[in-house]
Amino acid sequence: DAGVTQSPTHLIKTRGQHVTLRCSPISGHKSVSWYQQVLGQGPQFIFQYYEKEERGRGNFPDRFSARQFPNYSSELNVNALLLGDSALYLCASSLGPKGTAYSPLHFGNGTRLTVT
Amino acid sequence: AQSVSQHNHHVILSEAASLELGCNYSYGGTVNLFWYVQYPGQHLQLLLKYFSGDPLVKGIKGFEAEFIKSKFSFNLRKPSVQWSDTAEYFCGTTDSWGKLQFGAGTQVVVTP
Repeated sequence: DAGVTQSPTHLIKTRGQHVTLRCSPISGHKSVSWYQQVLGQGPQFIFQYYEKEERGRGNFPDRFSARQFPNYSSELNVNALLLGDSALYLCASSLGPKGTAYSPLHFGNGTRLTVT
Repeated sequence: AQSVSQHNHHVILSEAASLELGCNYSYGGTVNLFWYVQYPGQHLQLLLKYFSGDPLVKGIKGFEAEFIKSKFSFNLRKPSVQWSDTAEYFCGTTDSWGKLQFGAGTQVVVTP
C-alpha cells in the first residue's frame, strides 16, 4: 500500500529563489493538505485542497501558493524564499471532505527545505 | 476556531515507567481530537482519535487517551513505556474540513 509520497526529500535553495514541492496522495484520497513544521514546533497549516479547489488557507503570505491536479496530486510553490522558510514541509491526504471521523489525515515523510 | 495546547515540551523517563502527556483544547463546537506520533526520521502517524462516544479511547501501540469534557482535556497515557516510544507526540484538533491544528508537541525520551 503506497502512502503519501513527497518529492524531493531534501532541497537547498538561496534567498529570493522559487521552490516547488510535490505530493501524491494515497490512492482514493481526494483531499490534500500542506503543513509547515519548523524545528521545535508543531506543524502549521498552510493549505487544504479538495477536488482541485482551495478549501482552506492558513496564515501564510501570498508568496505561498498551491494547486491540486485532476489526479489529486498537489504542488506547493513558494516564491521569493526567505531564510525563515527553512522547514519541513508536510503533505497529508484524506478521503475528505466531510466525515473527519472516518478520514483522518495521513502524512508523508516531508520535504526538508533549507534556505541559505 | 479550535486550538490545542500541550503542557510539557520535554519528558524524560525510564523504561517501564508510566507516561501521561497533557493536552487541553479550546471549545468551539464539535470536538474532533487526535494524537499523532513522529518517530525519529519517520512521518507523522495517527495514534488515536476521538469524535464521540466512549471518552476512553484506545489507540495503537498500547496508548490510550481520555476525553474529559469538564476539564477540556484529552490526555495521552501509556502504562509502561518502552525505549521504542521515544518520539515526538502531537495533540491536534480539526474542523469539519479536516484542517488540523497541532499543539507545539512533546518530545519524549525513554531511557533504557
